[in-house]
Amino acid sequence: AQTVTQSQPEMSVQEAETVTLSCTYDTSESDYYLFWYKQPPSRQMILVIRQEAYKQQNATENRFSVNFQKAAKSFSLKISDSQLGDAAMYFCAYRSAGFGRDDKIIFGKGTRLHILP
Amino acid sequence: DTGVSQNPRHKITKRGQNVTFRCDPISEHNRLYWYRQTLGQGPEFLTYFQNEAQLEKSRLLSDRFSAERPKGSFSTLEIQRTEQGDSAMYLCYLQASRAGPTDTQYFGPGTRLTVL
Repeated sequence: AQTVTQSQPEMSVQEAETVTLSCTYDTSESDYYLFWYKQPPSRQMILVIRQEAYKQQNATENRFSVNFQKAAKSFSLKISDSQLGDAAMYFCAYRSAGFGRDDKIIFGKGTRLHILP
Repeated sequence: DTGVSQNPRHKITKRGQNVTFRCDPISEHNRLYWYRQTLGQGPEFLTYFQNEAQLEKSRLLSDRFSAERPKGSFSTLEIQRTEQGDSAMYLCYLQASRAGPTDTQYFGPGTRLTVL
């Protein structure tokens, strides 16, 4: 069974600085997708960025980028120029790309990010 | 909020009562998932539907839980004889296709259940 581990329960960063959130995962599959979701306090979960495992190039979305290390099964999220609106719970997630029935998204326990003004 | 609505947003009930939640996609999405999220934790998978067919159920889904998606659009999740351990946020997640990470996907705002 696949697992996703986020080892940092909480992190803080100064506004305008850069922060990196860590994520590792375990799978025996070769083809899969990885995601980072953001859940602001009392608000809806939204997708921040996604990565296809077969792509070597790291995904980037504006101030958000990932460092995908397939061999190490590592998938970290870098937030540049942190803004107060980035304060939220961040979840790393995995989904199989196979055609079997195991098609659910598996989430880590999350990292709470605080932005210091 | 886009893509999906959930009702009610909050539900307080007494232990032993039955509750039903509803998830309404705003647009057509063939895959619908239910997740449960307790405070400070990541969402845990409960079950999912491909159109009206329920394809997988987690072992977290005890016999007291039942989910339906009768016409392949909205879905309901019922919990019978609620227990305090059922207190959580229940999230609906929609996916338009299984084509890959570019498929559209939405989380609903969730229904927060409190069992007294």
